[in-house]
Amino acid sequence: DAGVTQSPTHLIKTRGQQVTLRCSPISGHKSVSWYQQVLGQGPQFIFQYYEKEERGRGNFPDRFSARQFPNYSSELNVNALLLGDSALYLCASSLLGGKNSPLHFGNGTRLTVT
Amino acid sequence: DAKTTQPPSMDCAEGRAANLPCNHSTISGNEYVYWYRQIHSQGPQYIIHGLKNNETNEMASLIITEDRKSSTLILPHATLRDTAVYYCIVRVEPAGKSTFGDGTTLTVKP
Repeated sequence: DAGVTQSPTHLIKTRGQQVTLRCSPISGHKSVSWYQQVLGQGPQFIFQYYEKEERGRGNFPDRFSARQFPNYSSELNVNALLLGDSALYLCASSLLGGKNSPLHFGNGTRLTVT
Repeated sequence: DAKTTQPPSMDCAEGRAANLPCNHSTISGNEYVYWYRQIHSQGPQYIIHGLKNNETNEMASLIITEDRKSSTLILPHATLRDTAVYYCIVRVEPAGKSTFGDGTTLTVKP
């Protein structure tokens, strides 16, 4: 079975631009979460979606938004990019959304803002 | 959120057991302990999780103390490919938000 797939793998954007990152969860998984990982640090939680509804949001500004589609895939949007948004953006899916449901991560999208 | 504390780095000889400790003294009674690892440039990989009882799978064993304030991940026969950053986290409801710390960098040496 295919794991979590993310696209694109790498992206270079300029300050002030907008970016959309995409994620396809493992087949059958209904929950998708997004994480930001800055170099040298652990991943930081951004959003969780379950059955197309937002179930949680981390401490990120409103420039960050996301949505989940009927097929459970997801997009993360970041507006008005800042240099500090340069990071590895990870998507994770889980069968359900609760605490007894392991997260399975993709290999991420490396975003560089210049 | 329940926070976890891990040593920043550990070494282990190839073929020996690697024992990675984690402190989670503020854990609540219904929160699960999860372990993930991350090899450079890849996404974190799920290893194992547990609530109260010790758990074992094909990758590792998880030992949780009776008071649930700490746990140990055991890789029974470490190989060079086990060199990675290991994260111990506690899952929080309702969002399923996982708070990752800085983890433990395990280096397996020949």
